[in-house]
Amino acid sequence: EVQLVESGGGSVQPGGALRLSCEASRFSFSNSWMSWVRQAPGKGLEWVANIKPDGSDTYYVDSMKGRFTISRDNAKNSLYLQMNSLRVEDTAVYYCVRDPGSGATGWGAFDIWGQGTMVTVSS
Amino acid sequence: DVVMTQSPLSLSVTLGQPASISCRSSQSLVYKDGNTYLNWFQQRPGQSPRRLIYKVSDWDSGVPDRFSGSGSGTDFTLKISRVEAEDVGIYYCMQATQWPYTFGQGTKLEIK
Repeated sequence: EVQLVESGGGSVQPGGALRLSCEASRFSFSNSWMSWVRQAPGKGLEWVANIKPDGSDTYYVDSMKGRFTISRDNAKNSLYLQMNSLRVEDTAVYYCVRDPGSGATGWGAFDIWGQGTMVTVSS
Repeated sequence: DVVMTQSPLSLSVTLGQPASISCRSSQSLVYKDGNTYLNWFQQRPGQSPRRLIYKVSDWDSGVPDRFSGSGSGTDFTLKISRVEAEDVGIYYCMQATQWPYTFGQGTKLEIK
């Protein structure tokens, strides 16, 4: 079964940093656009960032540009999210997601989701 | 950014009855390649979201055929022909025609 498993969540103080990881299995990770999507407690979904299969292009929501960095290591089938200057409002479950991109199902048709990792930013 | 507005935000439906959720975008979602990247997701309680519908009206074989999507331009609808107990959850539309991708607020479906 195809799978995405996130790790690296936890508690951090405002202004701190965390690095989330996501390990992919049983699908062609190196040919896949990948995304991070987050969900604050009791709130809706928010797209965070996307990265091209070869890592050469990235896209972010404006509020996270300059603070968050999405990256990947195709040799390790792994996706990362480096989060710096964390704010209380960044508290959320962060999901690692596959974006089919320009494939048959099209952009944003997120077809594989991880179970999520919780990030809590609090003093 | 494209603003996605769903209505209603909550829905209480009797088992076996239909349900309909509207999703409106602040700009046309037709991309330069002619496709409309409007997707629907379902999030059951305590679970990760799951894709239901992609490109307005297409769906995977694992999605029950009581779910259907329609619409064009800026106006889209998710319909459930006969609500079942397993349909309880929150439904989100999301546009991917323009960066940044944006979700609707979500519509909570419960059984009456």
